[in-house]
Amino acid sequence: DTGVSQDPRHKITKRGQNVTFRCDPISEHNRLYWYRQTLGQGPEFLTYFQNEAQLEKSRLLSDRFSAERPKGSFSTLEIQRTEQGDSAMYLCASSWVGGSYGYTFGSGTRLTVV
Amino acid sequence: GESVGLHLPTLSVQEGDNSIINCAYSNSASDYFIWYKQESGKGPQFIIDIRSNMDKRQGQRVTVLLNKTVKHLSLQIAATQPGDSAVYFCAEIGSGGTASKLTFGTGTRLQVTL
Repeated sequence: DTGVSQDPRHKITKRGQNVTFRCDPISEHNRLYWYRQTLGQGPEFLTYFQNEAQLEKSRLLSDRFSAERPKGSFSTLEIQRTEQGDSAMYLCASSWVGGSYGYTFGSGTRLTVV
Repeated sequence: GESVGLHLPTLSVQEGDNSIINCAYSNSASDYFIWYKQESGKGPQFIIDIRSNMDKRQGQRVTVLLNKTVKHLSLQIAATQPGDSAVYFCAEIGSGGTASKLTFGTGTRLQVTL
């Protein structure tokens, strides 16, 4: 399967704990995006990378959130001191700049903070 | 702020009928629009896209219509099948060479009845 892979698929954590999610994009894609989706809503942009550079961050990305793409390939999204409001689906997508804007999304990581 | 929204949260159609899903957008500077299909537990799946210099684009069983005058986008699905049951989102990208952030609406759930 050469699509976008996300790990884990599901994560249940206690409030206050740190969590880290991983995204492996399509290998030829140089842009990688993180979105958050709550039930019944459309995905909301969090941040994106072009190669290893983080080019834009949403105001939704509080200082408890950090994303990295150290070698321009896979990316991690870490949430520190999780809160119940962080419960959501975290989606990763990738694209090739200069090509179609039609990103390829992964299946997401569903985070539940209890 | 700029937003993309949908008129109908739920649409129920009989198998074999045509479906029309509508979307209103507010950013007149948007120059690219995409329709996504999202099935339960999966990430959004690209269906079809259209640029702002077009008013119609056809794919396999799907047609997207863009009316820039009233800032309205629609997705038409011909001969709707049970496998079309999902939530459909329209999304837009603003103008600008480096703009790549998608802004999604809240979605329309399409239910196909037998």
